[in-house]
Amino acid sequence: SYVPTQPPSVSVAPGKTATITCGGDDIESQSVHWYQQKPGQAPVLVIYYDRNRPSGIPERFSGSNSGNTATLTISRVEAGDEADYFCLVWDGDFYLFGAGTKVTVL
Amino acid sequence: EVPLVESGGGLVQPGGSLKLSCAASGFSFRESPIYWVRQASGKGLEWVGHMKTGPHNFATSYAASVAGRFRISRDDSKNTAYLHMSSLKSDDTAVYFCAAPDGDYGDPDPFHFWGRGTLVSVSS
Repeated sequence: SYVPTQPPSVSVAPGKTATITCGGDDIESQSVHWYQQKPGQAPVLVIYYDRNRPSGIPERFSGSNSGNTATLTISRVEAGDEADYFCLVWDGDFYLFGAGTKVTVL
Repeated sequence: EVPLVESGGGLVQPGGSLKLSCAASGFSFRESPIYWVRQASGKGLEWVGHMKTGPHNFATSYAASVAGRFRISRDDSKNTAYLHMSSLKSDDTAVYFCAAPDGDYGDPDPFHFWGRGTLVSVSS
């Protein structure tokens, strides 16, 4: 098994696009879920099965998965998007979270 | 309405035991697997384990870090799941969340519902 790799931090100006990656060998053969967590709060599912948005999640959030990298994209970033983002994969035996990426809105 | 509410956390000595509860409401609990996820202070999320539904024989799976020490159970008549923890270590200190999908998707389940978590502190 492996732990999916995420960059520790991403900084983005309001209105711009934030790209958060989740890397792993042939990760495209797995399904990836993405969670947003704000300080002191429980995580929130923002993307599931690579590219699906749960109800209530803005269209600004999108996902993709190709090759060795899954990507969460936040378009037209707002101050309220500042949070930690975690990817989650299943390696056939265990659920594995990435270490998380802190998104800072400048 | 919060779909999942954890309880039972507290301070326990190393080597001790503790049972956490996770009460569900607002969704079909018996049709959803239940997951436990923990988070040490300032750290990331760690899957602890999960229990499937009745049609899947209530199968369980655990992270290597807790296998043999932790056990998950559920009482569908009470819409409640439990995390039985024993032989606790300082490394088990964390906020423990229960989580669930809004149905039985099969691995990997997306966790649509989360509780607010309960803090477990293991210290002498």
